[in-house]
Amino acid sequence: AQKITQTQPGMFVQEKEAVTLDCTYDTSDPSYGLFWYKQPSSGEMIFLIYQGSYDQQNATEGRYSLNFQKARKSANLVISASQLGDSAMYFCAMRGLKAAGNKLTFGGGTRVLVKP
Amino acid sequence: DAGVIQSPRHEVTEMGQEVTLRCKPISGHNSLFWYRQTMMRGLELLIYFNNNVPIDDSGMPEDRFSAKMPNASFSTLKIQPSEPRDSAVYFCASSLGGGGTGEYLAEAFFGQGTRLTVV
Repeated sequence: AQKITQTQPGMFVQEKEAVTLDCTYDTSDPSYGLFWYKQPSSGEMIFLIYQGSYDQQNATEGRYSLNFQKARKSANLVISASQLGDSAMYFCAMRGLKAAGNKLTFGGGTRVLVKP
Repeated sequence: DAGVIQSPRHEVTEMGQEVTLRCKPISGHNSLFWYRQTMMRGLELLIYFNNNVPIDDSGMPEDRFSAKMPNASFSTLKIQPSEPRDSAVYFCASSLGGGGTGEYLAEAFFGQGTRLTVV
């Protein structure tokens, strides 16, 4: 079984500052992928970034970076230079090689509010 | 590509009625997911298809829910009879990979969702 835990239900961040969203996971799969999605108030789910379990370097996509610590089973999302448009729900997700044919499992999400 | 297309976008129905939600995945994608999102329960995976075959339906709440994928370009989620507690946003998502292949790193693309209200 695979499980994703996001312990921060909500947080505030000042515009232009960086913010770290926590994500821990549990899996028996030796091979897996970790994903982050953004859900603004309009409701759509937007893919942000992914990290493979065998990737040696942390993933980066523009202002998004993933702090992957495999031994600690954590995959935190870092958003640098926060903008007002970053206010949204953020979900961490996992997909494993063996878990029921690669099903995609989500955490409970973290709501981020960027203050001007 | 038009992305994942869901219909209808909004549905209001009376308790006891049958509801059918529809999804057209991205062409070429062989994995399809149905999720339900509520404030109380967050984002729940209901069922997952790979190559049109249901792989995991452990998230389907009860026998009132059923899902089909008759071909690679169409899936339905049916609720019969509907109840007020079924009110939620239902998302369909598709991706490459699945079935224990090495494509497990493929991200899923989501449709706009169907907001279902059962009164």
